Amino acid sequence: KAGVTQTPRYLIKTRGQQVTLSCSPISGHRSVSWYQQTPGQGLQFLFEYFSETQRNKGNFPGRFSGRQFSNSRSEMNVSTLELGDSALYLCASSQGTDTQYFGPGTRLTVL
Amino acid sequence: AQSVTQLGSHVSVSEGALVLLRCNYSSSVPPYLFWYVQYPNQGLQLLLKYTSAATLVKGINGFEAEFKKSETSFHLTKPSAHMSDAAEYFCAVSEGPGSARQLTFGSGTQLTVLP
Repeated sequence: KAGVTQTPRYLIKTRGQQVTLSCSPISGHRSVSWYQQTPGQGLQFLFEYFSETQRNKGNFPGRFSGRQFSNSRSEMNVSTLELGDSALYLCASSQGTDTQYFGPGTRLTVL
Repeated sequence: AQSVTQLGSHVSVSEGALVLLRCNYSSSVPPYLFWYVQYPNQGLQLLLKYTSAATLVKGINGFEAEFKKSETSFHLTKPSAHMSDAAEYFCAVSEGPGSARQLTFGSGTQLTVLP
């Protein structure tokens, strides 16, 4: 089975712009979670989707949003980018068990 | 609220020496515990997990971890370090099947293996 894929792998944006990141889960996995990784804050949970519904949300401002499609693919969107949004964004998928499998991440740089 | 503490942000060992990476957790209910490894410019790879079965858990690449409820610990060990083990290691906790899809991570331990 193919693993979790994320596109694009690298992205450069400027402050004030918005960005959309994409995640394709492992085939058959219906849960997709997103995490932000920064040197200062470490790995932090953003949100989790299951069957197109957001079930869980971390402590991030409303500029961070996401959605999930009927094929379980997910996107996350960040509006009005700030310098502090520069991070590695990781997507993880789960089959409905306890284990999350991570993709390679999207490296976002905000200038 | 659940939390994870990894003691030692950097650990150096010689090739062939024992690897010991420490993780302590706090959780109000019996936890699910995980160790992940991250190589440069890559995502997280699952090493092993504890989900209330055997307290000694064996994972990939020769790693294992022991769940000790009395010490609220889940330390990661490997008898003999290899150069390819150099990476960052993260301990994570989730509080059970109902919320299993939200992981809380420790701050990570960077492992250096010296020749």
